[in-house]
Amino acid sequence: EPEVTQTPSHQVTQMGQEVILRCVPISNHLYFYWYRQILGQKVEFLVSFYNNEISEKSEIFDDQFSVERPDGSNFTLKIRSTKLEDSAMYFCASARAEAFFGQGTRLTVV
Amino acid sequence: GESVGLHLPTLSVQEGDNSIINCAYSNSASDYFIWYKQESGKGPQFIIDIRSNMDKRQGQRVTVLLNKTVKHLSLQIAATQPGDSAVYFCAIQAGTYKYIFGTGTRLKVLA
Repeated sequence: EPEVTQTPSHQVTQMGQEVILRCVPISNHLYFYWYRQILGQKVEFLVSFYNNEISEKSEIFDDQFSVERPDGSNFTLKIRSTKLEDSAMYFCASARAEAFFGQGTRLTVV
Repeated sequence: GESVGLHLPTLSVQEGDNSIINCAYSNSASDYFIWYKQESGKGPQFIIDIRSNMDKRQGQRVTVLLNKTVKHLSLQIAATQPGDSAVYFCAIQAGTYKYIFGTGTRLKVLA
């Protein structure tokens, strides 16, 4: 069964460093998303991507964040100059109709 | 802005009983609704969806009910099993490119 895969599963980074979270969406999907979930809280929308451009983003997704689909398969989330409060689970999702989520990357900023 | 809420943060159910998890939403224009299950340390897993032109949809052991009049969505799980223990989120599609999630209900299945 096709699935969304995310790497790494866990990333620890120093405050102020840049991180890149990687996702391989399901191959025939057209819409791509990043969500985050702070421990014990709900899943929050960050950004959606369609037709090689950002289609919508939340107020969380400020200039610190960027997304890219560098080739036909990968979809990345870059966080520049990480802050302690960026520590969370980051989920990638892709959709053709309903959205399917990856297993997440746990980002810990120390 | 859009909001999605859940009525109970935790629901405890005896194994074999039916579970009902509720969700309220605010935007009457919403037309697509999804229930996700999230097990500890994993990503949300699609369970069932429903569009606004329906008021009920059934899957395997799960039923989703949609009441557009009161903007209420529920997930019913029949014969709840230990493997059903998880956090359940309702999500609504807010425009083509965005899903808004509720705060989640933790379902605990008691043996």
